[in-house]
Amino acid sequence: KQEVTQIPAALSVPEGENLVLNCSFTDSAIYNLQWFRQDPGKGLTSLLLIQSSQREQTSGRLNASLDKSSGRSTLYIAASQPGDSATYLCAVKPSGTYKYIFGTGTRLKVLA
Amino acid sequence: GAGVSQTPSNKVTEKGKYVELRCDPISGHTALYWYRQSLGQGPEFLIYFQGTGAADDSGLPNDRFFAVRPEGSVSTLKIQRTERGDSAVYLCASSLALRREKDEQFFGPGTRLTVL
Repeated sequence: KQEVTQIPAALSVPEGENLVLNCSFTDSAIYNLQWFRQDPGKGLTSLLLIQSSQREQTSGRLNASLDKSSGRSTLYIAASQPGDSATYLCAVKPSGTYKYIFGTGTRLKVLA
Repeated sequence: GAGVSQTPSNKVTEKGKYVELRCDPISGHTALYWYRQSLGQGPEFLIYFQGTGAADDSGLPNDRFFAVRPEGSVSTLKIQRTERGDSAVYLCASSLALRREKDEQFFGPGTRLTVL
């Protein structure tokens, strides 16, 4: 059974820092991995999708990497800003399915 | 264009009542998903529609939960005899149903259900 873990559960950093959020999954048989952002009381906003054949994806200050064989992904946020404060969720799509399995998220607070 | 919309945004009901939650997917998206998110947790899959048919309903917790998508667009999640444990945010997502490696899901704002 696929399980997704995110570490740390919460993170507080001063503005301007570069930071890394971690995601691990137990079964490497996946189609893709997607990173989402969730603001309090809101739905999920898609940030990056990495296909199983890819190693990384970049969008602006965000870079996500995928090491499928070791069951790990990282989300790198450069030059963090207070507006980046949110919960970041990673999700994997196991092979043979259409659904996502989510981690419990990392709550990020960027202090001005 | 418009994103995924869900109504109502909040629903408060009493234990034992019946509720319906509605999802309007992005126009042209043939795939539709329902998830449930409890406080402090990630979303959990409930059901997936491809067109009008439920292709995977393995996440529905029991037979009190049912979902339909009669015309392949709008979907309704129906919960009978609600229980306090059903309280959660119900999220809907849609996608273009591309090859599964490339298929990206887009989420709505959710319906917060509270069962008293």
